[in-house]
Amino acid sequence: DIQMTQSPSSVSASVGDRVTITCRASQGISSWLAWYQQKPGKAPKLLIYAASSLQSGVPSRFSGSGSGTDFTLTISSLQPEDFATYYCQQANSFPPWTFGQGTKVEIK
Amino acid sequence: EVQLVESGGGLVQPGGSLRLSCAASGFTFSSYDMHWVRQATGKGLEWVSAIGTAGDTYYPGSVKGRFTISRENAKNSLYLQMNSLRAGDTAVYYCARGFPGRAFDYWGQGTLVTVSS
Repeated sequence: DIQMTQSPSSVSASVGDRVTITCRASQGISSWLAWYQQKPGKAPKLLIYAASSLQSGVPSRFSGSGSGTDFTLTISSLQPEDFATYYCQQANSFPPWTFGQGTKVEIK
Repeated sequence: EVQLVESGGGLVQPGGSLRLSCAASGFTFSSYDMHWVRQATGKGLEWVSAIGTAGDTYYPGSVKGRFTISRENAKNSLYLQMNSLRAGDTAVYYCARGFPGRAFDYWGQGTLVTVSS
């Protein structure tokens, strides 16, 4: 199975900051990577698919990049509604579909 | 509007069984792969099962032989039959739609399964 490792596990940031979260796959996954945002008590929400494609309705301050084993989710200017936990997920080699352990973005 | 609504969660004793349902609306259900994903309290996301449009099914090792995913296209419904439940199966269970980009683009609100004596 492909293991997904996110870093950092948590990050403290202020409104307006640029935030970068990384995700590393244990083997190459081409560009088959998705990013999700989850707020407490809510279901995950798809932000990015195929590494860099923005899901419909997602603000353009979110962007994704990378291919192979190393990927990045960037929030260009953090907004109050962006404080949440973010997960990456590989979709290159399945089953199983596997997720990273999550990165919590907290208010500084 | 795409909607996925799970039901069937609850408290069950170890070794017991439970059947989850997911009612889909707002899209052509038969045209999409569907998945179950679970999340233990305070933990990350774990994919649990998938079913393709042709009825092909997939499971991780942790639930293979104990869980069975199925779909009833005429009723726009997805199911998860869970047998031989263990404490480690305690989680919120989400149904999710498979996206052609190989992600999960719509999720239900989740249903809580608690396995405890």
